[in-house]
Amino acid sequence: DAGVIQSPRHEVTEMGQEVTLRCKPISGHNSLFWYRQTMMRGLELLIYFNNNVPIDDSGMPEDRFSAKMPNASFSTLKIQPSEPRDSAVYFCASSLALGTGIGTGELFFGEGSRLTVL
Amino acid sequence: KNQVEQSPQSLIILEGKNCTLQCNYTVSPFSNLRWYKQDTGRGPVSLTIMTFSENTKSNGRYTATLDADTKQSSLHITASQLSDSASYICVVSVGYGNKLVFGAGTILRVKS
Repeated sequence: DAGVIQSPRHEVTEMGQEVTLRCKPISGHNSLFWYRQTMMRGLELLIYFNNNVPIDDSGMPEDRFSAKMPNASFSTLKIQPSEPRDSAVYFCASSLALGTGIGTGELFFGEGSRLTVL
Repeated sequence: KNQVEQSPQSLIILEGKNCTLQCNYTVSPFSNLRWYKQDTGRGPVSLTIMTFSENTKSNGRYTATLDADTKQSSLHITASQLSDSASYICVVSVGYGNKLVFGAGTILRVKS
């Protein structure tokens, strides 16, 4: 079975450019998460969706960040305009939420998108 | 404040030796505790998930323990291999929602 698929794996861009990261969750999973990982702060939740609906976006740093999930098999995280401090590894993860979306089942992570903003 | 603290920060051991990683948490209400392994340049991979009522759970050479009274967990690795070199992250799930609190991780290096 294919796991969580993220693209691109690596992105180098210049400050001010728009960046779009993509994620395909595991088929059948109903929860999708976007995380950011840095050496200083570790893994931080940015936003998560349940049944394609954003549930908690309190971790999104600021208005420059936006995320969408137009259908059950695709999500994007967009940064516009990008800044050097956005440089990090961005992970997408998916899970099958227990019951009616309450509780988190096992979380499956993608391989991450390493973003470098110059 | 919900927090997960891991120790040691990093660890170097010889191949074949055992080691134990620690995780202390102050999370309420507690739902479950997970251990993840993250190889360099890869995404985290789940090793174990333990609920309140579980004391021990094994996954091959990995054995996790949970003491819900003292709010401590440990991950024991038996007969370490070079491929065990990775970051090990303790994660606690809060309540019934999807909120996870991540530890900073322990970086393990296994030397031959």
